[in-house]
Order: sequence, then C-alpha cells, then structure tokens
Amino acid sequence: EDQVTQSPEALRLQEGESSSLNCSYTVSGLRGLFWYRQDPGKGPEFLFTLYSAGEEKEKERLKATLTKKESFLHITAPKPEDSATYLCAVRTAGGGNEKLTFGTGTRLTIIP
Amino acid sequence: GAGVSQSPRYKVAKRGQDVALRCDPISGHVSLFWYQQALGQGPEFLTYFQNEAQLDKSGLPSDRFFAERPEGSVSTLKIQRTQQEDSAVYLCASSLAGQGARAYQPQHFGDGTRLSIL
Repeated sequence: EDQVTQSPEALRLQEGESSSLNCSYTVSGLRGLFWYRQDPGKGPEFLFTLYSAGEEKEKERLKATLTKKESFLHITAPKPEDSATYLCAVRTAGGGNEKLTFGTGTRLTIIP
Repeated sequence: GAGVSQSPRYKVAKRGQDVALRCDPISGHVSLFWYQQALGQGPEFLTYFQNEAQLDKSGLPSDRFFAERPEGSVSTLKIQRTQQEDSAVYLCASSLAGQGARAYQPQHFGDGTRLSIL
C-alpha cells in the first residue's frame, strides 16, 4: 500500500528563519510527487510537481527537491504570509491510476 | 468562473438524511475527482471521472456514497442515510488532461463543502 509521511506535524519559525519540511514515501512506481499549500477554509493550491530523483523546482521563497525516498520543501527567509499547511501527495503507477495519495501535512506558522 | 466551484460551502444535516454536493469544474477540464478531508488530515481519494465515465470509485467508503457526472461537466456527490462519521470537508478537483495523456496536468481544487451531521 502506498504511504506518504510528512514531518514535522507543525513548525513555528520566526520571520526570516529558513527551514525544511520533509515528505517521505513508500510507493510502487512513482509517477509524480506534488506539493500543495492549504490555507484554513480553502482547498489545496498547487505548488510543484517533481518526477524524478535529483529534480528541483523553485517558486519565490520555496524550493522543492526529490530523492528516491523523500522530498523536501525548503523555505528561505519566510514571511508571515507563508503560514499555511503544506501537503505532499504522490501519484503512482498501475492501471491508469490517476488519484493522488496525500500525507497529513505540515502546519507552518511564521511569527512576525 | 476561473476556478473549481463547489456548493454549498456548508451543509448541516440530521443523521439519516440524504445530501447532495455539487462541483463545477474548470471549463474544459476532462478529469474530475472527489476527495474527503477529515479535520487535521490530508485529503483522501473517493472517486474519479474522465468526462462522464466513472473510471475509479475505489475510495467510496460505502454504498451510501454515489457520484455522477452525466454530461461530463458538473458532478454531484450524493450521500444517502448520512451518519456522523460522514462529517468532513468534501473537496472536488479537476484537471485538464485525462488518463493516458502524454503530459500529466496537476489537479486544481475547489474550496470544498463542509458537511456536518448532527
């Protein structure tokens, strides 16, 4: 069974204090790893797709990286508006499977 | 509108009542997904449509849950004889491409329907 584990569950940082969120996965044939941001009362907002080990994607203060077993979301000099829950999800091989399997998320709080 | 639209945003029902949740996907999007999100958890897959065809319903928790997309656009998720454990946020997502497409297109989510069963 596909598994996605995110850590830490919650993270509090001072504004400008850089850190990383972790997403480890156990799947049978990865066909994409996805990062989403979710604000309270809102649906997940797509951030990045990564397909192969060594791949990196960047957007403003966020950078996502991928290895064969895990992905990291690096946050550089965060601002209060970066506060949100960050979700990791995987799409796996087999039978035209299109669904995403999500982790439970990391709740990030940036303190001004 | 530009995004996925879901209605109602909030629904309160008594245990045993039937409910219907609506999803308007982004115009032209072939694929449509329903997910269930419990408090403090990530979304969990319920079902997947490509156009009007329901290709995967492996995540539906019981036969009380039923989804349809008769014209390949708007979708409705129906829950019959609701139970307290059905309380959750129900998210709809759509994506441009379908199964087997050359390039995968990410799923874009609506803001969900928060369902509370009393």
